[in-house]
Amino acid sequence: DAGVIQSPRHEVTEMGQEVTLRCKPISGHDYLFWYRQTMMRGLELLIYFNNNVPIDDSGMPEDRFSAKMPNASFSTLKIQPSEPRDSAVYFCASSWVGNEQYFGPGTRLTVT
Amino acid sequence: DQQVKQNSPSLSVQEGRISILNCDYTNSMFDYFLWYKKYPAEGPTFLISISSIKDKNEDGRFTVFLNKSAKHLSLHIVPSQPGDSAVYFCAASPVYNQGGKLIFGQGTELSVKP
Repeated sequence: DAGVIQSPRHEVTEMGQEVTLRCKPISGHDYLFWYRQTMMRGLELLIYFNNNVPIDDSGMPEDRFSAKMPNASFSTLKIQPSEPRDSAVYFCASSWVGNEQYFGPGTRLTVT
Repeated sequence: DQQVKQNSPSLSVQEGRISILNCDYTNSMFDYFLWYKKYPAEGPTFLISISSIKDKNEDGRFTVFLNKSAKHLSLHIVPSQPGDSAVYFCAASPVYNQGGKLIFGQGTELSVKP
């Protein structure tokens, strides 16, 4: 199994631009999570899906952030417009019945 | 409000000695606890877990202790090795074995010196 796949690994963009992060969960997992890691706040849960349906998006910082899961093997996290304070590492994770979540390698986002 | 807290941002230990990483939580409804390890430029990886019906779980060099009355858990690594140098996150879940969200602490960076 290839594990959770995220792309791109690094993204540098200018303030105001749209950013799209992508995630392919482990096949057979029915939960998908998006996290953001910063020095100040650690690992924050942004949103999670169960069977492609968003369950809890209370961690999404504001309307500039949106996430979709059109099918069981793909999810996107979009930021439009991006701001310098969005600079962070964004992780996608997936899980099955148990609580153990499997994380992707992350996308390091830099907004200048 | 930080429901899971790791109050020590960093810890330095000599190779061969014991490393003790601590974690406190505030929500008495948490039922399951996990530790993750994270190397630079990688995602966190699951290390060890414990359910609230136990007070200890051991896996090789790693042992997690849970004190429910104090709302405190700790991870012991014995003996510590340089390859253990990483950031360690504790996490908590309100529901055991049913998927769903985890609440993570802010992490403790462990440095094991040869």
